[in-house]
Amino acid sequence: QTVVTQEPSFSVSPGGTVTLTCGLTSGSVSTSYYPSWYQQTPGQPPRTLIYKTNRRSSGVPDRFSGSILGNKAALTITGAQADDESDFYCVLYMGSGISLFGGGTKLTVL
Amino acid sequence: EVLLVESGGALVKPGGSLTLSCATSGFTFANAWMNWVRQAPGKGLEWVGHIKTKRDGGTIDYAAPLKGRFIISRDDSKNTLYLQMTSLKTEDTAVYYCSVQSNGDDGFYFDFWGQGALVTVSS
Repeated sequence: QTVVTQEPSFSVSPGGTVTLTCGLTSGSVSTSYYPSWYQQTPGQPPRTLIYKTNRRSSGVPDRFSGSILGNKAALTITGAQADDESDFYCVLYMGSGISLFGGGTKLTVL
Repeated sequence: EVLLVESGGALVKPGGSLTLSCATSGFTFANAWMNWVRQAPGKGLEWVGHIKTKRDGGTIDYAAPLKGRFIISRDDSKNTLYLQMTSLKTEDTAVYYCSVQSNGDDGFYFDFWGQGALVTVSS
């Protein structure tokens, strides 16, 4: 059974840069999986950040960027701000209508 | 403005059934792939399943562990998505979100989200 992997937690200093990754327990992530990224704060629905690997959703600041790094999808946040402290989820489209969420990364800004 | 409003969340006993609705507006519902995503308390997001447009064959896909107990349907005349849940288990306790899934040149991703409906399965 394929699982989408993410770092459970990450910490970044205000103004710093952090890269979160999204991998597969078997195989490499490529653009063919159409990686997308979502941000969620407690009690709120997810907010769409990145789709099709590196395209920013409407209204998302350009300090959020997506890419493929090695065999994983990546979300990079540059100039981290206090209100970036939240949970981040990646999704991979596995084909045949199936989408898989990663377990999420809890980002702390301190 | 795209609006997705889930309703029908409730407290249900194990083994019971429940149907959630997602009323939509602000886009052409009949042209949209629609999804259900859930989140158990304190846990991550989990894809439940989706339904394609009639134009795309109306195919319905489910997360493997949920197949057979959950049924997704849509009523394009009412711009509404449904999730029928049967044989509910305590581990089905979650907030259930409906979401519009983009499926064109921009790839496959969840474009818009509702606020969610809470389903609690407990005796």
